[in-house]
Amino acid sequence: EVQLVDSGGGLVQPGGSLRLSCAASGFTFSDHYMDWVRQAPGRGLEWVGRIRNKANFYTTEYAASVKGRFTISRDDSTNSLYLQMNSLKTEDTAVYYCVRVRLGRELRFFDHWGQGTLVTVSS
Amino acid sequence: DIVMTQSPDSLAVSLGERATINCKSSQSVLDSSSNKNFLVWYQQKPGQPPKVLIYWASTRESGVPDRFSGSGSGTDFTLTISSLQAEDVAVYYCHQYYSSPYTFGQGTNLDIK
Repeated sequence: EVQLVDSGGGLVQPGGSLRLSCAASGFTFSDHYMDWVRQAPGRGLEWVGRIRNKANFYTTEYAASVKGRFTISRDDSTNSLYLQMNSLKTEDTAVYYCVRVRLGRELRFFDHWGQGTLVTVSS
Repeated sequence: DIVMTQSPDSLAVSLGERATINCKSSQSVLDSSSNKNFLVWYQQKPGQPPKVLIYWASTRESGVPDRFSGSGSGTDFTLTISSLQAEDVAVYYCHQYYSSPYTFGQGTNLDIK
């Protein structure tokens, strides 16, 4: 069974930093692209960014709203995904989901989601 | 960026009746090389992450009841629930993965009338 367990959320002041983690199990983590998606309280879904697999050189891409402030990384040896968030703003307050991208060029959508971890940016 | 616009924003349907949600993309999400629409429908219940219902605009995900169906191509898509059940109360999102940034519709809140 595919499992994604998000952790690391909490309360942080504007301008601060936080690192989210995602522990994956039940599938070959190293094969998959992995993404982060967030959802502000009572709002819709916003894609945050992606990290590709080793075959695609672990390249990353980000939403414009977080580019230059957030960094996605992964450790295939421990089946872990990370989101380093710096220079946090109040508008970054959201539940952050670790998501798995299905294999295959025509199927590259989010097929499994973690339970989410809440990040609150407030003074 | 591809903008996804859903209609209506909210919908109330009687149990056993049909529910229809529309989604329009600002540009085509039809991949010419595969002839597949890179369009997914998700269902999100309160306190839960989204769950895949439909991909390629019309292919039901494994385990999804056959009362859920998707249609459309290019820029216009529809999610239909043929006979609404109480457990279908949720927010529904369309999503394009044709091009980055990968965007979602604003969501449609489906409730029981």
